[in-house]
Amino acid sequence: KQEVTQIPAALSVPEGENLVLNCSFTDSAIYNLQWFRQDPGKGLTSLLLIQSSQREQTSGRLNASLDKSSGRSTLYIAASQPGDSATYLCAVSPGDYKLSFGAGTTVTVRA
Amino acid sequence: GAGVSQTPSNKVTEKGKYVELRCDPISGHTALYWYRQSLGQGPEFLIYFQGTGAADDSGLPNDRFFAVRPEGSVSTLKIQRTERGDSAVYLCASSTGSGANVLTFGAGSRLTVL
Repeated sequence: KQEVTQIPAALSVPEGENLVLNCSFTDSAIYNLQWFRQDPGKGLTSLLLIQSSQREQTSGRLNASLDKSSGRSTLYIAASQPGDSATYLCAVSPGDYKLSFGAGTTVTVRA
Repeated sequence: GAGVSQTPSNKVTEKGKYVELRCDPISGHTALYWYRQSLGQGPEFLIYFQGTGAADDSGLPNDRFFAVRPEGSVSTLKIQRTERGDSAVYLCASSTGSGANVLTFGAGSRLTVL
């Protein structure tokens, strides 16, 4: 069974600092990996999707890397802002609809 | 619609009662999914529909849980004889069911069983 772990569970940084969120998974036979953002009382918003053949994806201040062989992904958020405060979830897929999620990293960016 | 709509957003019920949670997917999305998110955890897969049929219900925890999608659009998750352990946020997602198959999630229905 795929196990997804996210470290740290919570993170608090001052505005402007770069954020580094880690995700690890036990089964490297994945089709893709996604990073989601979840705001309190809201659903999940997909931020980045990395196919297993890719090494990284970028969108604005966000960059996600994938090392499939070692079972790791890292989400970098540059120049953090208070609006980045949320829970970030990583999820891996074996190629179908069954996403396996980590428990998330709750980020607080202090103004 | 523009997004995945879930109702109710909040439901409080008593142990032993019956509950229905509704999901209205994005128009044209043939695939629909239910996930459950307990406090402090990531979502866990419950069931997947392709069209009207449940293609995979292996994530349903027991026979008190049932879901339908009679016309291939709106889906209802039904929970009988609710227990306190059923308290969670129930998330619905939909997708085109092909290609990159990116799931779009709704805001969820928060169920509290007293």
